[in-house]
Amino acid sequence: DTAVSQTPKYLVTQMGNDKSIKCEQNLGHDTMYWYKQDSKKFLKIMFSYNNKELIINETVPNRFSPKSPDKAHLNLHINSLELGDSAVYFCASSPTWGGVGNIQYFGAGTRLSVL
Amino acid sequence: SQELEQSPQSLIVQEGKNLTINCTSSKTLYGLYWYKQKYGEGLIFLMMLQKGGEEKSHEKITAKLDEKKQQSSLHITASQPSHAGIYLCGADVGSSNTGKLIFGQGTTLQVKP
Repeated sequence: DTAVSQTPKYLVTQMGNDKSIKCEQNLGHDTMYWYKQDSKKFLKIMFSYNNKELIINETVPNRFSPKSPDKAHLNLHINSLELGDSAVYFCASSPTWGGVGNIQYFGAGTRLSVL
Repeated sequence: SQELEQSPQSLIVQEGKNLTINCTSSKTLYGLYWYKQKYGEGLIFLMMLQKGGEEKSHEKITAKLDEKKQQSSLHITASQPSHAGIYLCGADVGSSNTGKLIFGQGTTLQVKP
């Protein structure tokens, strides 16, 4: 069983469209994250939820809206997609929020291409 | 500038050779995590270091955190093609309890058979 699973794995879409990426974890973790990895492999955190509550919201455009229906799921909805949104988006989860030793486990990533 | 600097950015080694990847910060690292990424796959957790001077090993990979907790190294002994991929260090920088990991820019490793 995959611990952190994301769908879809690949997403190709036109500029201006709205799309969603889904993430589920079966590890029983309280905290989930969204990261963006750009073309230079630079990985940067976007959002974090702990028990369905938004904890981290980095300087991400309002077009990005995370939603956590329960602590096992964290979805990412993107409105009005732009060329610069093309990247690999990773979902991750960790047992708790904060603290040293709180290992984050990552999904396989969703490769988004905006044309 | 990056809060976590990795070096080198890329590395090509012959199979069987040893190699070292470094991860450096100007701030104290509260929890240093090493991950490996293969193309099309997620980040695979390798090791975590917390205490200054700590060293951990798994199979042929050894990670160390210096006494000042500002630099970590990842050493691979007798490299194999299966070691190829992108190695990323991540850390909670500057505070002990933010839960927010900062990552280095990654080191791409190729191992030639």
